[in-house]
Amino acid sequence: SQELEQSPQSLIVQEGKNLTINCTSSKTLYGLYWYKQKYGEGLIFLMMLQKGGEEKSHEKITAKLDEKKQQSSLHITASQPSHAGIYLCGALNTNAGKSTFGDGTTLTVKP
Amino acid sequence: KAGVTQTPRYLIKTRGQQVTLSCSPISGHRSVSWYQQTPGQGLQFLFEYFSETQRNKGNFPGRFSGRQFSNSRSEMNVSTLELGDSALYLCASSLGGYFYEQYFGPGTRLTVT
Repeated sequence: SQELEQSPQSLIVQEGKNLTINCTSSKTLYGLYWYKQKYGEGLIFLMMLQKGGEEKSHEKITAKLDEKKQQSSLHITASQPSHAGIYLCGALNTNAGKSTFGDGTTLTVKP
Repeated sequence: KAGVTQTPRYLIKTRGQQVTLSCSPISGHRSVSWYQQTPGQGLQFLFEYFSETQRNKGNFPGRFSGRQFSNSRSEMNVSTLELGDSALYLCASSLGGYFYEQYFGPGTRLTVT
C-alpha cells in the first residue's frame, strides 16, 4: 500500500520566518492534497496538486509537486501564529480509489 | 454553500454497545468517505460511498459498516464497540471523481469506556 512520509514531524518557528514541510510517497503520486487541522477538529482543504511540476498558492502558503521524486513540499512565507496547526498531506491511490495520509507535521509559531 | 456537517460532535459509549454516526455532505456532492483518526494510527480510510453504493473499503473489521441515502447523506455504524474504537471519526465529501477535492467535516469524537 502507498505510504506517505512527512518531515519534519514537528516544527517550531518564530513569527515572520519561512518554513518548508515535505511529503514523500513510497509509490507513484497521481494526486496530492494538503490539509491543515487544528487539534481535534476537521481538516481544512488547502490545495490539490495533480501534475508534475505543478505549483499552487493559497495566501502565503505555496505547494509544489515533484513527480519524479514522488514528493511534494509546502512552503509558508512570513509565518504567523494563525498558521499554527497540523499539516497533513494526502495522496489519492487510483488503484484502490482511496486516499492515504501522512502522519502530519505539527507547526508552532511563536509570536 | 454549507459545509460538511457531522452529528453528533461528541459521543460516549460503553464497550459492547453500537453507535451510528451521521454525515451530511456539501450540496451536490455525491461521494462521501469516512476516516478514523487516532494518535497512534493517524488518519485511516474506512470506506467511500458514491451514489448509495460502497465503492471502496479500507482495512477495518466488519463491525464497521456504512450506508448512503439517495440524498447523499451517509451514516456509519460500529457494532460491538471496543476501547480501541475511541477516535475522531471524520467524513469527507467530494463531487465524486478521483481527482476532485475532498472537504472534511468537523468530526465526531467517540469515546468508548
